Amino acid sequence: RKEVEQDPGPFNVPEGATVAFNCTYSNSASQSFFWYRQDCRKEPKLLMSVYSSGNEDGRFTAQLNRASQYISLLIRDSKLSDSATYLCVTAGSNYQLIWGAGTKLIIKP
Amino acid sequence: DAGITQSPRHKVTETGTPVTLRCHQTENHRYMYWYRQDPGHGLRLIHYSYGVKDTDKGEVSDGYSVSRSKTEDFLLTLESATSSQTSVYFCAISEVGQTSYEQYFGPGTRLTVT
Repeated sequence: RKEVEQDPGPFNVPEGATVAFNCTYSNSASQSFFWYRQDCRKEPKLLMSVYSSGNEDGRFTAQLNRASQYISLLIRDSKLSDSATYLCVTAGSNYQLIWGAGTKLIIKP
Repeated sequence: DAGITQSPRHKVTETGTPVTLRCHQTENHRYMYWYRQDPGHGLRLIHYSYGVKDTDKGEVSDGYSVSRSKTEDFLLTLESATSSQTSVYFCAISEVGQTSYEQYFGPGTRLTVT
């Protein structure tokens, strides 16, 4: 079992719709969680950290479910510019990050 | 954007040849990382550095070595390139080593080993 698992997609979503995807992790001791965004052939960039209480940043909402060991990302009113691959990241051992392979999102006009 | 550059940006090399990739930062961050990214896999850590001349192995360090003689430069060397090392290599930096802190990435180097 991979330490961080994501549905690779692609998720094809019409512009303006709401989309959500989850990521499961195996390290129950992990304390840090993130969503990074990666555009095609570009470097990853931090989208948002995920806090225990959940957090929201504009159209983006991240949630953490420790009991079931997953984090989620919800995007409301999706824009064409949201098309990207979303990478789920958790803390591993020795201060290293463990990365999921990503979920590809395609927003269609 | 964080000041991180990687060179070269693209390279094609033959099996068995040595290859060195360079990461240069202007942010004066203490921590630097080398990752590789392959289809179907998340980013995988190769080596990281927590200061000048201080480095440690990551998850997939076999076949790779690193050096950091200055704060701003972190070099990744493939002593004898193999086709399995064909990948996209990303350098990253962070101000603090703990995982709660953001990592900033360079633009990547696409390496093809024929």
